[in-house]
Amino acid sequence: EAQVTQNPRYLITVTGKKLTVTCSQNMNHEYMSWYRQDPGLGLRQIYYSMNVEVTDKGDVPEGYKVSRKEKRNFPLILESPSPNQTSLYFCASSLSADSYNSPLHFGNGTRLTVT
Amino acid sequence: DQQVKQNSPSLSVQEGRISILNCDYTNSMFDYFLWYKKYPAEGPTFLISISSIKDKNEDGRFTVFLNKSAKHLSLHIVPSQPGDSAVYFCAASDLSSNTGKLIFGQGTTLQVKP
Repeated sequence: EAQVTQNPRYLITVTGKKLTVTCSQNMNHEYMSWYRQDPGLGLRQIYYSMNVEVTDKGDVPEGYKVSRKEKRNFPLILESPSPNQTSLYFCASSLSADSYNSPLHFGNGTRLTVT
Repeated sequence: DQQVKQNSPSLSVQEGRISILNCDYTNSMFDYFLWYKKYPAEGPTFLISISSIKDKNEDGRFTVFLNKSAKHLSLHIVPSQPGDSAVYFCAASDLSSNTGKLIFGQGTTLQVKP
């Protein structure tokens, strides 16, 4: 089954404790991206990757890192989480950055709470 | 600054009637618009889209209308079914940016009552 898989689905952590949210897709997609969803703000892009070893900042990259060493994986790293990073995170992928021909496919989300 | 706005947080309609979800945008560079549907504990799924060169796109029970002069689009669901109950996100893209970035609205929660 074609899918984007995120782990963990739920995570509670404390301020300053480094964490990684994994994302993997099995559709051979070149483009991958991370979004966060917050009440009243919709989804906002954190980082995106056009292909292996090519990543760039989205609208809200502060406090996050990403890497794209393999085509299928795009982990999101919070080196020193803070309470304002409490949010619902979505990983997404598509064939290319061309939204017209390849809509984004989203994972089921990771709900992160930072205390 | 919210470039894509869905001003109605929620909408309730009776099964079989029409659901109309609205979305406004401010950035005139947006030239492609999408609607995503989201069930609880799942990620958003693509529903329908429209290019700025069109004013209407239809797919089964779902139709999206675009009014470029008003910077407004709407999603019509006819007839509405209980399974359509979900959060609907409007999203916009500037295809020329080639970043793949979508700008999302806040979402509208649709409840279809049997």
